[in-house]
Amino acid sequence: DGGITQSPKYLFRKEGQNVTLSCEQNLNHDAMYWYRQDPGQGLRLIYYSQIVNDFQKGDIAEGYSVSREKKESFPLTVTSAQKNPTAFYLCASSKPGQTQYFGPGTRLTVL
Amino acid sequence: EDQVTQSPEALRLQEGESSSLNCSYTVSGLRGLFWYRQDPGKGPEFLFTLYSAGEEKEKERLKATLTKKESFLHITAPKPEDSATYLCAVQVTGDSWGKLQFGAGTQVVVTP
Repeated sequence: DGGITQSPKYLFRKEGQNVTLSCEQNLNHDAMYWYRQDPGQGLRLIYYSQIVNDFQKGDIAEGYSVSREKKESFPLTVTSAQKNPTAFYLCASSKPGQTQYFGPGTRLTVL
Repeated sequence: EDQVTQSPEALRLQEGESSSLNCSYTVSGLRGLFWYRQDPGKGPEFLFTLYSAGEEKEKERLKATLTKKESFLHITAPKPEDSATYLCAVQVTGDSWGKLQFGAGTQVVVTP
């Protein structure tokens, strides 16, 4: 079955730690995206990538980093510079400019 | 600045009580408007894409419509399994990356 997987489902971070969220897709989509969702707010774009080895900052990129070494994978690192990282993180993929399909999400909590 | 506003924030319905959700948008140029359904703790599930004013799409008890300034998601004779948060997002013209601008969502609860 084609789809998008995210791991882990739940992640806990201590102060000062970097953590990496995994996103993998087997839909053969060129474009991949990372969003952050907070209660009562719409999804906000963190980073996006249209091709391997290229990515662009979204609206709230500060404190985050990404890589795109393979078409299928787009990991997101939440660095210690992100002061309020507790949120629900969603990965999506699409053919360029077309409908985005989402993964199941990772809930990150700061201890 | 592009903006997407959804109303109401929350909606409580009796089973069988039809209603509509609103998504109003202010964008430089609309390329497409997307509706998603999101269950608690899960990723959004794609429902519809609308591209031009006057367009309508249907799926089971859901019907989405589009005008030049807003979109409506009509829920006809809802069932408890229609309970979810419904998200609206717009894609603007001139953006080949296809970035989406999301509204905050409408939380729908359908009681038996």
